[in-house]
Amino acid sequence: GENVEQHPSTLSVQEGDSAVIKCTYSDSASNYFPWYKQELGKRPQLIIDIRSNVGEKKDQRIAVTLNKTAKHFSLHITETQPEDSAVYFCAASKGSSYKLIFGSGTRLLVRP
Amino acid sequence: GAVVSQHPSRVICKSGTSVKIECRSLDFQATTMFWYRQFPKQSLMLMATSNEGSKATYEQGVEKDKFLINHASLTLSTLTVTSAHPEDSSFYICSARRLSGGESYNEQFFGPGTRLTVL
Repeated sequence: GENVEQHPSTLSVQEGDSAVIKCTYSDSASNYFPWYKQELGKRPQLIIDIRSNVGEKKDQRIAVTLNKTAKHFSLHITETQPEDSAVYFCAASKGSSYKLIFGSGTRLLVRP
Repeated sequence: GAVVSQHPSRVICKSGTSVKIECRSLDFQATTMFWYRQFPKQSLMLMATSNEGSKATYEQGVEKDKFLINHASLTLSTLTVTSAHPEDSSFYICSARRLSGGESYNEQFFGPGTRLTVL
């Protein structure tokens, strides 16, 4: 089955700097790649997603890139703010089952 | 739109009892609902996929007789943890996928989670 690996596990950046989180997936049939932000004790919140027919997607300070050949995708957050501090999860799914397989998570700390 | 609720938000029970958790899509019909378990500082692990009117599909290693899932309607799925033990203590989260998604057909909408503590 699908396996998603995520790096780094923790990331500390200075406010205003950029943060990059990377994920790789194993199933070449996966075609949907969402990113979630989760605060302690809360539900995961979708922040951006990308489908396999697109290489890059941007929404204000957040962008995601997808390399289907290498089977990896990345989350880029620019001009980080303290409120960006949370745990971020990548995930992958394919259209036949729509199951989401999550990465292990990245704890992002933005220092004021 | 696309709101998913869970009830209860928190439950504490004694070892050996059963606990039922409800997951409802409030403003849309959900063709599929998913149940996840999340231990502290860990990722979300998919437990099972639930389709309305049919038996749930469980992930490898998840005991179907212990985690009973019922999906009686397009807006309600329930997870019953039978004979709960302390090792079942966890954060249980459901999600729902729209019946007619359009551009968002892949997207899953998450409930707020249920924190289960088994004494």
